[in-house]
Amino acid sequence: KAGVTQTPRYLIKTRGQQVTLSCSPISGHRSVSWYQQTPGQGLQFLFEYFSETQRNKGNFPGRFSGRQFSNSRSEMNVSTLELGDSALYLCASSLGMTGRNTEAFFGQGTRLTVV
Amino acid sequence: EDQVTQSPEALRLQEGESSSLNCSYTVSGLRGLFWYRQDPGKGPEFLFTLYSAGEEKEKERLKATLTKKESFLHITAPKPEDSATYLCAVQASSRGNKLVFGAGTILRVKS
Repeated sequence: KAGVTQTPRYLIKTRGQQVTLSCSPISGHRSVSWYQQTPGQGLQFLFEYFSETQRNKGNFPGRFSGRQFSNSRSEMNVSTLELGDSALYLCASSLGMTGRNTEAFFGQGTRLTVV
Repeated sequence: EDQVTQSPEALRLQEGESSSLNCSYTVSGLRGLFWYRQDPGKGPEFLFTLYSAGEEKEKERLKATLTKKESFLHITAPKPEDSATYLCAVQASSRGNKLVFGAGTILRVKS
């Protein structure tokens, strides 16, 4: 069974540009969450999608957005990139949103460097 | 506000020297407490979920336990390949699948 797939693995962007990251969840999983990991702040929740609807949002500026498609694949977008957006962006997939279906399995991440 | 505190920040062990990692938490309505292992440059690897106080789970040299205020990850007779960052996270019943993570414990096992 394939795991969570994130593309691309590495990205280098210039300040002011925008970027789109992609996540394909485990087959059958319908919930996708995004996290930002930095050495200073650790792992922080960005947002969560289930059935193409955003269900939960973390404390990040509006430059960070996401969406989920009917096949559960998800994308996140960061506009007007800042140097502080350099981080490892992680996607996690879960079977559902209730009971014991909420165990989260992570992809390998996308390493974004803003220069 | 949900909070997770892990200790120690870093731990160095000799191969075969057993020890425990601590995860203290405050959360309004715990749905589950999660343990992950993360290697440098990779995504967190799922280890365990604990749902209620008194629950224990084991996997190879690892054993996780849960009380109402904290969780322990016991490592028995560790090997160098157990070296990694161990992350603890909590999930509240009322906040979807959102995980709140601790800062992690960096474990180094020397042969």
